[in-house]
Amino acid sequence: GENVEQHPSTLSVQEGDSAVIKCTYSDSASNYFPWYKQELGKRPQLIIDIRSNVGEKKDQRIAVTLNKTAKHFSLHITETQPEDSAVYFCAASGTRNTNAGKSTFGDGTTLTVKP
Amino acid sequence: DAGVIQSPRHEVTEMGQEVTLRCKPISGHNSLFWYRQTMMRGLELLIYFNNNVPIDDSGMPEDRFSAKMPNASFSTLKIQPSEPRDSAVYFCASSPGQAVSYEQYFGPGTRLTVT
Repeated sequence: GENVEQHPSTLSVQEGDSAVIKCTYSDSASNYFPWYKQELGKRPQLIIDIRSNVGEKKDQRIAVTLNKTAKHFSLHITETQPEDSAVYFCAASGTRNTNAGKSTFGDGTTLTVKP
Repeated sequence: DAGVIQSPRHEVTEMGQEVTLRCKPISGHNSLFWYRQTMMRGLELLIYFNNNVPIDDSGMPEDRFSAKMPNASFSTLKIQPSEPRDSAVYFCASSPGQAVSYEQYFGPGTRLTVT
């Protein structure tokens, strides 16, 4: 099955700096890569996703890049703010056959943005 | 739409008791997922339904755990008998599914404490 590794497990940055979280996956059939943000005591919520036919996607201060050859993808947050502090999960998912939509999650990165 | 609904939000029970967690997915979503989250093990997929049919239950820890989805608008996760190591936050998530979106919408979670 799919295996997703996420690094780092914790990340602390100063407000205004950039943060980068990296993930690798093992199954070359995976072609959908979402990122979820989970604030303390809350549920995970999707912040951005990318499909395998795209190398990069941006949404305001958040961007995701994908390298299918190397099987890794990254989340980039620019101009970080204290409200970006949360746990971030990457995931890899296939979109074909009976396991379509089943995501394998990374272990999460706890991001702390210091004011 | 009210989003994914889970009940109860909190459950405290004694070891050996039966626990039933309930989930109502977003109307029209074809896929439903049950997750368990702990500090030690992160976010674990327990079971996944597609069109009310269990597709992958390889994450169910043992026979004490069972899940059903009798119709498109309701699912249950049952633990019988419960043990202290089952203490965790249990999330239900639903997804529109194939050809629409694979984004998973999480419910608020049920915090289970087994004493």
